[in-house]
Amino acid sequence: ETGVTQTPRHLVMGMTNKKSLKCEQHLGHNAMYWYKQSAKKPLELMFVYSLEERVENNSVPSRFSPECPNSSHLFLHLHTLQPEDSALYLCASSQEPRNEQFFGPGTRLTVL
Amino acid sequence: GENVEQHPSTLSVQEGDSAVIKCTYSDSASNYFPWYKQELGKRPQLIIDIRSNVGEKKDQRIAVTLNKTAKHFSLHITETQPEDSAVYFCAVVGFGNEKLTFGTGTRLTIIP
Repeated sequence: ETGVTQTPRHLVMGMTNKKSLKCEQHLGHNAMYWYKQSAKKPLELMFVYSLEERVENNSVPSRFSPECPNSSHLFLHLHTLQPEDSALYLCASSQEPRNEQFFGPGTRLTVL
Repeated sequence: GENVEQHPSTLSVQEGDSAVIKCTYSDSASNYFPWYKQELGKRPQLIIDIRSNVGEKKDQRIAVTLNKTAKHFSLHITETQPEDSAVYFCAVVGFGNEKLTFGTGTRLTIIP
């Protein structure tokens, strides 16, 4: 499945590090999403971008900063994270929110 | 905001029997209801969806029913097979909303 790709697949970082997660979709979709998946909250929406504009910010701490430079790329910039931010971060895209969302394979993030 | 509840959280079913998973939602204006399946170590994938103008939709062994008055919808899997073992998530999109709110997931195990 290569419609939505994410890099890196695994990331270990200290609390003082700065890193970025990258998502790319090759499906010609207009909307892209970041989700956090953990044992506590199985699928938690973080951000929604529609036509490169952020339309939803689900009360996410400012240590997570999204960026959508064009309709095919989505980034999640991370800085001064906490151990409780360790989770699987999933990117998804869709033609519009009321259509099927296609998920990437996720980035497994561990914050030490 | 939208509140989605999903039950049960775990379900074990003998192979060949049927499985039913139910979700309730709070926003009566919600109008799109997809179901996603996530196999172990894999990304979520859409298996079936329903829009508010229909009460039932079927695709081979999978069906979804929607009761807008009661604000609940259910996933029905008949003649279950071992490959149906996975976590299933319901989701809801509200009217005029760009946001997909997921339920907490049901871990379905098919017993051979």
